[in-house]
Amino acid sequence: AQKITQTQPGMFVQEKEAVTLDCTYDTSDPSYGLFWYKQPSSGEMIFLIYQGSYDQQNATEGRYSLNFQKARKSANLVISASQLGDSAMYFCAMRIPGAQKLVFGQGTRLTINP
Amino acid sequence: DSGVTQTPKHLITATGQRVTLRCSPRSGDLSVYWYQQSLDQGLQFLIQYYNGEERAKGNILERFSAQQFPDLHSELNLSSLELGDSALYFCASSGGLAVPYEQYFGPGTRLTVT
Repeated sequence: AQKITQTQPGMFVQEKEAVTLDCTYDTSDPSYGLFWYKQPSSGEMIFLIYQGSYDQQNATEGRYSLNFQKARKSANLVISASQLGDSAMYFCAMRIPGAQKLVFGQGTRLTINP
Repeated sequence: DSGVTQTPKHLITATGQRVTLRCSPRSGDLSVYWYQQSLDQGLQFLIQYYNGEERAKGNILERFSAQQFPDLHSELNLSSLELGDSALYFCASSGGLAVPYEQYFGPGTRLTVT
């Protein structure tokens, strides 16, 4: 069965520092997609970044990048130059083609301190 | 704004009652997904529809049902409500079965069962 593990329940970071949120995954399918979502206190789920299992390059979207290490089955999210508005829950998720659904980790609560 | 709309935003009802949650996907998206987010279970996939047909089922209780209409909006019906059904219910949409895998989430409906 597919599984996502986020081992950091909470993280505290100083503003302007870079932060890495850990995510490891488990699947036997060779084809899969990995996602990161942000959930601020208001509750909505905001799509941040996507990495396909066959993508050669690590995905980047503005200040977000995904450190994809396929052999280690990890897909860590890196946020550069953190801002106060980055304080939120962050979820790593995996999608298996054909299965359609997203499997989510338990999330990491990130707090950016001024 | 993801382009996915959900109504109502909040819903408070009593045990044993029935409610209907509504979702309108992004323009052009054929797939609709329903997820439940609760404190003890995290984010769980409930069900997926593609162009009016049920495509995948997850941890959806028999008391719950969903449908997708010809105009592609979807409704999630929850009946015989229990206290444990209190949760944030998300609808997400994506472009289709074989297209980019991003799922864009609506703002959610917060259901409180008293």
